[in-house]
Amino acid sequence: RKEVEQDPGPFNVPEGATVAFNCTYSNSASQSFFWYRQDCRKEPKLLMSVYSSGNEDGRFTAQLNRASQYISLLIRDSKLSDSATYLCVASSGGYQKVTFGTGTKLQVIP
Amino acid sequence: DVKVTQSSRYLVKRTGEKVFLECVQDMDHENMFWYRQDPGLGLRLIYFSYDVKMKEKGDIPEGYSVSREKKERFSLILESASTNQTSMYLCASSPGDTGGFTDTQYFGPGTRLTVL
Repeated sequence: RKEVEQDPGPFNVPEGATVAFNCTYSNSASQSFFWYRQDCRKEPKLLMSVYSSGNEDGRFTAQLNRASQYISLLIRDSKLSDSATYLCVASSGGYQKVTFGTGTKLQVIP
Repeated sequence: DVKVTQSSRYLVKRTGEKVFLECVQDMDHENMFWYRQDPGLGLRLIYFSYDVKMKEKGDIPEGYSVSREKKERFSLILESASTNQTSMYLCASSPGDTGGFTDTQYFGPGTRLTVL
């Protein structure tokens, strides 16, 4: 079983739709969580950190569920520019313990 | 803005060649990383460094070595390139002042290495 699992997609959604991705992690000692965005043929860039209380940044909302060991990303009012691969990251502390998911691909359609 | 640069975007080498991939960051970050990214496998950590001349193995260090002689520069070395090292190589850096918690990593544009 992978330490961090994501549905690879692709998720094809129309502009303006709301879409949600989940990511499950297997290491209960994980304490830091992030969502990164990776455009085609580009490097990953931090989208947002995920806090225990949940956090929101404009149209993006991230949630953490420690009991079920998953994090989620909700995108409201999808834009064409949101089309990318979204990488989930979990860390149990220290850099040896950082694990990236394989990513979920989102395609927003006009 | 943090800037992480890598010496080449595309590189083609032959089996057995020694390959150097260089990475430079301009934000005085303590930590630097080398990953490889392959379809279906995601990013996997090869080596990282938390200080000049310091290095730690990641998940897949076999066949690779690293060098960090200056704070801003982190080099990945393939002593004898093999076809299974064909991949996208990504360098990253992070500030490293978070008291042991994982902090944000800033990635370079990547080097797509093909070993023939």
